[in-house]
Amino acid sequence: GDSVTQMEGPVTLSEEAFLTINCTYTATGYPSLFWYVQYPGEGLQLLLKATKADDKGSNKGFEATYRKETTSFHLEKGSVQVSDSAVYFCALSDGQGAQKLVFGQGTRLTINP
Amino acid sequence: DTGVSQDPRHKITKRGQNVTFRCDPISEHNRLYWYRQTLGQGPEFLTYFQNEAQLEKSRLLSDRFSAERPKGSFSTLEIQRTEQGDSAMYLCASSSGTEGKKMFFGSGTQLSVL
Repeated sequence: GDSVTQMEGPVTLSEEAFLTINCTYTATGYPSLFWYVQYPGEGLQLLLKATKADDKGSNKGFEATYRKETTSFHLEKGSVQVSDSAVYFCALSDGQGAQKLVFGQGTRLTINP
Repeated sequence: DTGVSQDPRHKITKRGQNVTFRCDPISEHNRLYWYRQTLGQGPEFLTYFQNEAQLEKSRLLSDRFSAERPKGSFSTLEIQRTEQGDSAMYLCASSSGTEGKKMFFGSGTQLSVL
């Protein structure tokens, strides 16, 4: 079945550092890809998405590009802030209409001032 | 838009007891999803509804689990004869149903089975 693999955490960076969180997927067909973020005590929120190959999703300074050839959707940010500290989940939906999501295991990010 | 709300936020129960959780989706959303999240893992799909019809159930949803959405609005998830392995965060999400439309998650119900 479909699956998502994320780089293991936790990840700790200093403020203004460059961030990459790796995500690769296995899927049949043409999935849509997502990054969700979970701040402490809050529900999952959609951060960005891409629905077809070579699409770039972006939001709040974060970016990720749908790479079909490498089956990847790595999350990047050029300069992180303390407020970016959260758990980040990569996910896919199979594009078959049900819109159900398959998640990676999550990566906990801590940004130190 | 008041968001997706779940009740209760926390539930502690003894093994063997039955528990029921409630989810109130965003009012105009016709799709409602239940996920389960264990510590250190991503959410796993359990089931989803389109209006009042339950369209798909994961194999994770054993016979002890039942979900309903009787009028196509709120939903309940019941676990009978709880086991310690049922301890997890149960998440509800809703969307307007079209592929690619944004899915909104509630804050979840944390279940602890003692």
